[in-house]
Amino acid sequence: GAGVSQSPSNKVTEKGKDVELRCDPISGHTALYWYRQSLGQGLEFLIYFQGNSAPDKSGLPSDRFSAERTGGSVSTLTIQRTQQEDSAVYLCASSSRRVNTEAFFGQGTRLTVV
Amino acid sequence: AQSVTQLDSQVPVFEEAPVELRCNYSSSVSVYLFWYVQYPNQGLQLLLKYLSGSTLVKGINGFEAEFNKSQTSFHLRKPSVHISDTAEYFCAVSDLNSGYALNFGKGTSLLVTP
Repeated sequence: GAGVSQSPSNKVTEKGKDVELRCDPISGHTALYWYRQSLGQGLEFLIYFQGNSAPDKSGLPSDRFSAERTGGSVSTLTIQRTQQEDSAVYLCASSSRRVNTEAFFGQGTRLTVV
Repeated sequence: AQSVTQLDSQVPVFEEAPVELRCNYSSSVSVYLFWYVQYPNQGLQLLLKYLSGSTLVKGINGFEAEFNKSQTSFHLRKPSVHISDTAEYFCAVSDLNSGYALNFGKGTSLLVTP
């Protein structure tokens, strides 16, 4: 595709359920980021994949959060046992090379935990 | 560790007035600096970036920013704003120590009124 694609665009889930959020980066982009955007909190870094290097997981808020990137392309962010405070917009971005010149963002997945 | 501080959470301004959105960063190594914009109900897009060379960089929609190494700042300016500039503006930094992962500030909400 032409841009970063995220699915679903909206997700409503019950507290305690697990959710999976998907990101399809721009083809050929080696770097992939996940961020969380909450009202008044700006963009919170979650995890960063760069090529075949070990991902930078320093931003994951708890062990309920995990992410994978299969084959250096598609990424899935998984949130287990969701809590109401997990409600936010989850943004994915990708960029083309190690020395980042521009990260392209998807439209995000709006997660609502009820 | 690097950090990004956007000193103003909200900036109200009248149409056709000049505006400056402030961004300061901390890093012990050379940095790359970015400003992203998020219009209402839209995704993030790159406004401008500083990688090297001239410290004054020009971006889209008439915005510019100046890298000041001694003051560790990268303030965003526009000489005359339009109603359509109303948006959330994010400053971001990346450096070698972070593996070039993008670290964002909390954002500044620019509200332009007639």
